[in-house]
Amino acid sequence: GNSVTQMEGPVTLSEEAFLTINCTYTATGYPSLFWYVQYPGEGLQLLLKATKADDKGSNKGFEATYRKETTSFHLEKGSVQVSDSAVYFCALSARNMASGSRLTFGEGTQLTVNP
Amino acid sequence: DGGITQSPKYLFRKEGQNVTLSCEQNLNHDAMYWYRQDPGQGLRLIYYSQIVNDFQKGDIAEGYSVSREKKESFPLTVTSAQKNPTAFYLCASRGDVLGYGEQFFGPGTRLTVL
Repeated sequence: GNSVTQMEGPVTLSEEAFLTINCTYTATGYPSLFWYVQYPGEGLQLLLKATKADDKGSNKGFEATYRKETTSFHLEKGSVQVSDSAVYFCALSARNMASGSRLTFGEGTQLTVNP
Repeated sequence: DGGITQSPKYLFRKEGQNVTLSCEQNLNHDAMYWYRQDPGQGLRLIYYSQIVNDFQKGDIAEGYSVSREKKESFPLTVTSAQKNPTAFYLCASRGDVLGYGEQFFGPGTRLTVL
């Protein structure tokens, strides 16, 4: 079956530090990959996505590259801000009928950025 | 603005009572989903529907029921059979017919059983 593994949290950084949150996946077929962000007490917002190998998704200074050879989709940001404090979820949507139309999520990584 | 609305934001229920959570979308999406989120954990799929009048069980459907009578609406009922219903419930929808696009989420309903 499909699965997503994220680096364990929580992650605590100082403002302007470099951020990496690791995400690896297992999937049949050729999945689309996503990063979602959840602020306290809110729903999930799509942060970025990539639909094929070597695609780079980017948004709000965050980037992630779809690496088929390492089955990874690591999230990076060069300089984090206090406002980036949130929970980040990696997810995949597999392109085969056996998986139906569901997303498979990682466990989430709590990021706290201190001023 | 198009989007997904969930109501109420906070819901309290006594043990043994059924309660229904509302989810409405005006995005004209075919597929809709219900997830449960427990503190410090990821999302678990309860039910999903890819078309009106049809729905499928997710990974944790026991103690829950849904209906999909209209494209815009996908209410979730938490029944008294659900042993531990206190959680944050998220509704989502997806517009692409091929099934591998992103899902869009509502703001969530926090259910507390007293």
